[in-house]
Amino acid sequence: AQKITQTQPGMFVQEKEAVTLDCTYDTSDPSYGLFWYKQPSSGEMIFLIYQGSYDQQNATEGRYSLNFQKARKSANLVISASQLGDSAMYFCAMRGQGSARQLTFGSGTQLTVLP
Amino acid sequence: DAMVIQNPRYQVTQFGKPVTLSCSQTLNHNVMYWYQQKSSQAPKLLFHYYDKDFNNEADTPDNFQSRRPNTSFCFLDIRSPGLGDAAMYLCATSSHIGTDSNQPQHFGDGTRLSIL
Repeated sequence: AQKITQTQPGMFVQEKEAVTLDCTYDTSDPSYGLFWYKQPSSGEMIFLIYQGSYDQQNATEGRYSLNFQKARKSANLVISASQLGDSAMYFCAMRGQGSARQLTFGSGTQLTVLP
Repeated sequence: DAMVIQNPRYQVTQFGKPVTLSCSQTLNHNVMYWYQQKSSQAPKLLFHYYDKDFNNEADTPDNFQSRRPNTSFCFLDIRSPGLGDAAMYLCATSSHIGTDSNQPQHFGDGTRLSIL
């Protein structure tokens, strides 16, 4: 069974500062993928970044980077230079090796960017 | 742009009155998913289609059914909605080729269902 844990229900960050959203996971699959999604109040789920379990380097996508520490089973999302539009719910998710590669989601972190 | 489209964006139905939510995709993905998401919670997978093969999650109530008449369309039918079924319903798609696991699921904008 897979499990994703996000221990920060809510986070606040000042505009233009960096923020780290925590994610830890547990799985018995030797190969897996980790995803971060952003969900604004309007409801759509927006894919941000992906990290594969065998990737040697941490993933980066623009202002988003993933701090992947495999031994600690953590995959924290770092958002640099926060913007007001970054205020949203952020979900960490894992995909294992099931036939249809279902995602297991964490409980989410509500990020609020302060002006 | 290729995308996942859910209609309607907002749906109101009466307690016990059947309702159908629709999802279409132009991505030609072989897997389609339906999620239920209640307020301030993570999305919960209800079922998915891998091509034409239907896969129900063990804890999905019998009240929820799905149809996938072709690759592009998938429907969620709620036979007798109860007050507890009020939620956001998200459709997602993904493409599974070989062992490639880095393809994200692409989500629609969701349908927010209210029960009167």
